[in-house]
Amino acid sequence: KQEVTQIPAALSVPEGENLVLNCSFTDSAIYNLQWFRQDPGKGLTSLLLIQSSQREQTSGRLNASLDKSSGRSTLYIAASQPGDSATYLCAVYSGYSTLTFGKGTMLLVSP
Amino acid sequence: EAQVTQNPRYLITVTGKKLTVTCSQNMNHEYMSWYRQDPGLGLRQIYYSMNVEVTDKGDVPEGYKVSRKEKRNFPLILESPSPNQTSLYFCASSIDRVNNQPQHFGDGTRLSIL
Repeated sequence: KQEVTQIPAALSVPEGENLVLNCSFTDSAIYNLQWFRQDPGKGLTSLLLIQSSQREQTSGRLNASLDKSSGRSTLYIAASQPGDSATYLCAVYSGYSTLTFGKGTMLLVSP
Repeated sequence: EAQVTQNPRYLITVTGKKLTVTCSQNMNHEYMSWYRQDPGLGLRQIYYSMNVEVTDKGDVPEGYKVSRKEKRNFPLILESPSPNQTSLYFCASSIDRVNNQPQHFGDGTRLSIL
């Protein structure tokens, strides 16, 4: 059964820092990996989706990489801002029409 | 605006009183699913639907029912709610059953079962 782990569970940084969030998964036979953002009291917003054949995806200050063979993905956030404060979730799709989520990294960016 | 709409957003009710949480999407998506989110356990899938009249169990289906009579709607039914179903519930949809496209989530429904 697929398991997804996110490290660290929480992270606090000053504004302007570059940071890396980590996601690992136990079964490398995945179709894609998706990074979400969740704000308090809100649903999930899709940030980036990486297909299994891709190595990375970029959107603005966000860059996500995927190393399928080692079961790892990283989300890089450049020049962090207080508005980036949220919980970031990683999810993998391994088939059978279900996503497996990690428990998230709670990020706080202080001014 | 493309969106997934859940109702109600908040509900406090009592054990055994049947309730339905509605979910509607306006993107003509084939695939819809329900998740529950609990502290320390993360998001877990309850049920999913690949298309009209096609539904299947996720990881935690016990105590829940769903139906998919129309493409846009996917209600979650708790026939006899119990306190262990107190949770934050999310409905999601994506364009196709292969699910190689991003999932869109609703804003969530917070259920408290007393």
